[in-house]
Amino acid sequence: GENVEQHPSTLSVQEGDSAVIKCTYSDSASNYFPWYKQELGKRPQLIIDIRSNVGEKKDQRIAVTLNKTAKHFSLHITETQPEDSAVYFCAAKRVIQGAQKLVFGQGTRLTINP
Amino acid sequence: KAGVTQTPRYLIKTRGQQVTLSCSPISGHRSVSWYQQTPGQGLQFLFEYFSETQRNKGNFPGRFSGRQFSNSRSEMNVSTLELGDSALYLCASSLMGGGNTGELFFGEGSRLTVL
Repeated sequence: GENVEQHPSTLSVQEGDSAVIKCTYSDSASNYFPWYKQELGKRPQLIIDIRSNVGEKKDQRIAVTLNKTAKHFSLHITETQPEDSAVYFCAAKRVIQGAQKLVFGQGTRLTINP
Repeated sequence: KAGVTQTPRYLIKTRGQQVTLSCSPISGHRSVSWYQQTPGQGLQFLFEYFSETQRNKGNFPGRFSGRQFSNSRSEMNVSTLELGDSALYLCASSLMGGGNTGELFFGEGSRLTVL
C-alpha cells in the first residue's frame, strides 16, 4: 500500500541556521505533496505544497523540492526562528477514481534553540 | 467564516464501550476526511467522505465506521473500544473533491482516552 517515510523524527537547530526534513513515498501515482505544521496543542496547518509537475517551490524562508524519479521531497527552512518550533508532517496524495487519500509521514519535531 | 468544528473536544471511555465523534466542515466544503493521531504513528488516514459517500478507507478494523449527512456534517463511530484506540481524532474538510488538490483544513480534534 501507500507509504510515506519521513526523517529525521527529531531535529534541533540553532536559531538562524537552516533545517531540512526529508520524505520518501512509495506510490508513483502520487501527484501532490503538502507540508503541514502543527504547533503544540494546535491543529495541523498547511504551510507549503508542491505538485508533481514542479521541481521546486519557495515561499519566503520555506522551500520544498521534489524529485519524482527518486520519489522523495524535502522541506527547507532558512534563517530559522523560535516560532518555527513545531512538528512538521509531509504528505503525499493520490487520486483514486475521484477519491482523495492523503498519506502522512510520521512527523518531525523541530526545535529551534535560541 | 467558521472553521472546522469537532465535538466533543475531550472524552473518556472504558474498554468495550462505543463512541461517536462529530465534525462540521467549513461551509461549502463537501469532502470530509478523518485521521487518527498518536505519538508513535503520526497521522493515520481513517476514511474520506464526499457527498454522503465513503470514497476511500484506511487500514483500520471494521470497528471504525463513519457517515456523512446531506449538510456535509460527518460522524465517526468506534465500537468495542480498546486501550489502543486512545488518540486524537482529527477531522479535515476540503473545498474540492475528486481530482483537485484541495487544501485540507483541520479541526481541533477530539481527544479520546480509553481506560
